[in-house]
Amino acid sequence: EVQLVESGGGLVQPGGSLRLSCAASGFTFSNYWMHWVRQVPGKGLVWVSRINSDGRSTDYADSVKGRFTISRDNAKNTLYLQMNSLRAEDTAVYYCARDSGGYYHPLLDYWGQGTLVTVSS
Amino acid sequence: QSALTQPASVSGSPGQSITISCTGTNSDVGGYKYVSWYQQHPGKAPTLMIYEVNTRPSGIPDRFSGSKSGNTASLTISGLQAEDEGDYYCSSYSSSSTLVFGGGTKLTVL
Repeated sequence: EVQLVESGGGLVQPGGSLRLSCAASGFTFSNYWMHWVRQVPGKGLVWVSRINSDGRSTDYADSVKGRFTISRDNAKNTLYLQMNSLRAEDTAVYYCARDSGGYYHPLLDYWGQGTLVTVSS
Repeated sequence: QSALTQPASVSGSPGQSITISCTGTNSDVGGYKYVSWYQQHPGKAPTLMIYEVNTRPSGIPDRFSGSKSGNTASLTISGLQAEDEGDYYCSSYSSSSTLVFGGGTKLTVL
């Protein structure tokens, strides 16, 4: 059974940093692109970032470019999102998702349950 | 990276059909055959319902179908059931090497 379990969320002050993790199991993690998607409670889904299967190619939404870094450790079956210079508008539930499509045709077929990040003083 | 445009809400009675539209541009919906649709129930993670415009993952009922014309994609749910109530999001690959979602549509089954 495919499982994605996010962790690392919490309360952080504006300007602070946080690292999210997503532990994957039930599939060959190193074969898949992975994504982070966020959602302000009560609002819509917003794509954040993606990384290819070997970790060498990454893409970011303009709103997080230069502040967030996506990475992965295929030996540990874990996806990461390093979030720096956090702002109040980064407050959201962050989901990791598996991509069974690929570079030009992303399709997010499994999602974790999300971890809440709150940026507030 | 502007969000795709979806109606805020749609509604229908059990057994009826509804269609949710998703409008983008030539740089996303109109330029690629990679539109997906996701269903989300309150407090839950999204579930993939349709990918590549009109393909259903295994386990998704054939009451769900997708289509695309120009810059607008559509999700049709026929034979509405109470459990179909929830939020629906479209997404598309974008020429800026990103993924863009729609703003979401709340489906109410009357």
